[in-house]
Amino acid sequence: GNSVTQMEGPVTLSEEAFLTINCTYTATGYPSLFWYVQYPGEGLQLLLKATKADDKGSNKGFEATYRKETTSFHLEKGSVQVSDSAVYFCATLSGGSYIPTFGRGTSLIVHP
Amino acid sequence: NAGVMQNPRHLVRRRGQEARLRCSPMKGHSHVYWYRQLPEEGLKFMVYLQKENIIDESGMPKERFSAEFPKEGPSILRIQQVVRGDSAAYFCASSPPSLTRDGEAFFGQGTRLTVV
Repeated sequence: GNSVTQMEGPVTLSEEAFLTINCTYTATGYPSLFWYVQYPGEGLQLLLKATKADDKGSNKGFEATYRKETTSFHLEKGSVQVSDSAVYFCATLSGGSYIPTFGRGTSLIVHP
Repeated sequence: NAGVMQNPRHLVRRRGQEARLRCSPMKGHSHVYWYRQLPEEGLKFMVYLQKENIIDESGMPKERFSAEFPKEGPSILRIQQVVRGDSAAYFCASSPPSLTRDGEAFFGQGTRLTVV
């Protein structure tokens, strides 16, 4: 089955710092890749996605590029804000499977 | 996503009691997923249902846990004889009839179960 590995957190940054959260995956076929964000006390919300190799998903200043050769989908943001503090989940969904597989989540803490 | 409604938001049960968690999917969605989030363990798949049918329950513990999604009404995750290890956040997500590779699962705000 599919699996997703994320870097362990928490990741602690100062406001306006550059963010990278690493994600690698194993999957059958050609999966779609997702980043979800969970704010404190809330459910998960889709942040961005990419459905084929070399696609770049982007939203709210966050970006991630689907790298098939390295089976990676790292999340980046050029300048983080305090309001970006949350837990970020990388996920994969393979064709023919209806069940998204999530990583363990990476907590991001941004200080003013 | 506000469209998926879970209740209660917080549930406290004593050891040995039953816990019932409810999930109403988004309008037009006929498929429901249940996930459990334990501290330091991330999000673990439990069960995938469509109305009146369990499609995949490979993540459900074999004992004490059950799920249903009746023709009318919300999906129910039922935990009998709860133990302290059941304390977790339980999330429901819904999707249209087919969650394709382009699809997105919409999550509720979760039910936080505490067993005392």
